[in-house]
Formats: sequence, C-alpha cells, structure tokens
Amino acid sequence: TQLLEQSPQFLSIQEGENLTVYCNSSSVFSSLQWYRQEPGEGPVLLVTVVTGGEVKKLKRLTFQFGDARKDSSLHITAAQPGDTGLYLCAGALSSNTGKLIFGQGTTLQVKP
Amino acid sequence: KAGVTQTPRYLIKTRGQQVTLSCSPISGHRSVSWYQQTPGQGLQFLFEYFSETQRNKGNFPGRFSGRQFSNSRSEMNVSTLELGDSALYLCASSLGDRDNEKLFFGSGTQLSVL
Repeated sequence: TQLLEQSPQFLSIQEGENLTVYCNSSSVFSSLQWYRQEPGEGPVLLVTVVTGGEVKKLKRLTFQFGDARKDSSLHITAAQPGDTGLYLCAGALSSNTGKLIFGQGTTLQVKP
Repeated sequence: KAGVTQTPRYLIKTRGQQVTLSCSPISGHRSVSWYQQTPGQGLQFLFEYFSETQRNKGNFPGRFSGRQFSNSRSEMNVSTLELGDSALYLCASSLGDRDNEKLFFGSGTQLSVL
C-alpha cells in the first residue's frame, strides 16, 4: 500500500505551459518535502512545508500543504525545458528523523 | 563543503553473493539514512543511523543490514543477493537532531544483480 499517492506519473508539455502535480495521503505528516531528481543523481530538496495551509514560492514553483497536512501540490508556471526531471514528494510521519515516505514520482518532460 | 559521497558508483554482482556499499556524510552530519530506488517501487526507506545507533528501520528482510562508524560514515550490506535487489541505493545525511531538517542525498550506487 502506497502511503503517498502522487499524480500524474508522467507529464509531457510544451514550454510555456503551466502544470500541477498532486501528492495525496490518508496519513497526517509532520512535514512534506518536494524533491527534484535528474538521471544519475540523487534527489535534491526543493522545499519543505510544515504548517497546514502553508504556501511557499520558489521562482516559478508554488508549493502548497493541505490544511489537514495530508496532501500537497506543486504548481509550475510557464514551464521551461530546464524543469525537466523527476519530481518527488516525501512525507515525514514524525520530525527529527531521516525516515521519509516517498511518492512514486512524476516524470516531467518540457519540450522546447 | 563536500557533499554526500557514495562508493562504488556502479556494481555488478551475481545471485547469492553479498555486497557492501559505503556512504560518507557531509562533515558534521550525524544521521545517515539509506533508501532503495527502483522503477516499480520508487524510493523506499531501508534504515537510519544516528550516532552509531539504528534509529529507524523500514520493511526490508534481514538480508539488508547496516552500520555507522564513529566518524558517521555508514555502510550497508546485502547478503545472499537476489535479482530483485537490483536498484539504485541512495544514502542521505542530515544533522539528525532538529525538526524537519533538510536531507542531502548522494548520487547513489547502482547495483545490478545477474
């Protein structure tokens, strides 16, 4: 049973389009993190959201944590080819630990 | 500041053999976590070590084990390898003593079991 359901699994869009990736769970997380992973490399942290309802912006990326801390979304505005990669959400069931529950990931391809 | 270093980068083994993977965390980090990444299952948590003690454990069989040394470097061992153990093994380090802190991942060891 996957604790974190991430959707969509694959996304192929044209440069300039907007997109949203969703991460849903029936579990409550103390925090939720979004990572980006490129081929041959480990995941790199983009953002951590901690408070229910929290919204964080990182240039063209907007991250939101659900009010109940069970879900999250990542919205990219005006996607660019450099955004291509595997996006992963990961939840921590408790703080102060290196144990994260990862979603299956969303493979994003942005065509020029 | 050097990042998380994992060695070797690639490894090819045959069924039944055992393997040891190494992870050197960022200087000053006391927590090292290990993850297995496969196309079908995604990233799955193996275990976490903090100050030489296993602090958390995932749902993997006893063939998967690890340890951490006094300098925080960590090793994981897989015995009696199976074809299904083929995966990218990632380690991540953090300070380990703060809430919701950032994990830094290494580039991984790609293990192929033939």
